[in-house]
Amino acid sequence: NAGVMQNPRHLVRRRGQEARLRCSPMKGHSHVYWYRQLPEEGLKFMVYLQKENIIDESGMPKERFSAEFPKEGPSILRIQQVVRGDSAAYFCASSLGQGQSGANVLTFGAGSRLTVL
Amino acid sequence: AQKITQTQPGMFVQEKEAVTLDCTYDTSDQSYGLFWYKQPSSGEMIFLIYQGSYDEQNATEGRYSLNFQKARKSANLVISASQLGDSAMYFCAMRERTGGFKTIFGAGTRLFVKA
Repeated sequence: NAGVMQNPRHLVRRRGQEARLRCSPMKGHSHVYWYRQLPEEGLKFMVYLQKENIIDESGMPKERFSAEFPKEGPSILRIQQVVRGDSAAYFCASSLGQGQSGANVLTFGAGSRLTVL
Repeated sequence: AQKITQTQPGMFVQEKEAVTLDCTYDTSDQSYGLFWYKQPSSGEMIFLIYQGSYDEQNATEGRYSLNFQKARKSANLVISASQLGDSAMYFCAMRERTGGFKTIFGAGTRLFVKA
């Protein structure tokens, strides 16, 4: 198991286009999280999902952003009609489940770097 | 209000010396978890150490230890015998029930290790 897999690693889009970022969690992990990181800043929580269920989307912008984690296949973060301000690194992480225990340490993917021209 | 506060944007340490990176947190939960992650210039996020709120002993992992002071709500990371490869961003994070079990991160501290 190669851990959390994100693709694409780099994505360039023109303003108004759509960006789709994919994340396959670590084997055995049922919880997926998406974070956004602007240059020289920390990670901002966006959304937390289980299979077929959004647990917490309090960090998602109200418009243009959506996320899903279908029964089969990877989790997808979708950004419609991208703007320059969407340029950032988007990290996906997975964990075993809920709770605060060390068993629920987040394992991160390498990130997807979106550039909007 | 900030849930996780890292007050040191940047820190310098001489190679082979110890360094402490500060982290304070805010929660009303009794049960929560605290984490430290490292982000080198290559960009990946690397888990370093975990401390549970009920753990009586401070967590240690090799050269990393977490100085957990529950009453002061602080969870400082101590790196002993710094190495050049320790130069990176370091993020403190917390996971709590009130937050719906999502993990939230501080703004980070950039550590520079000098030869």
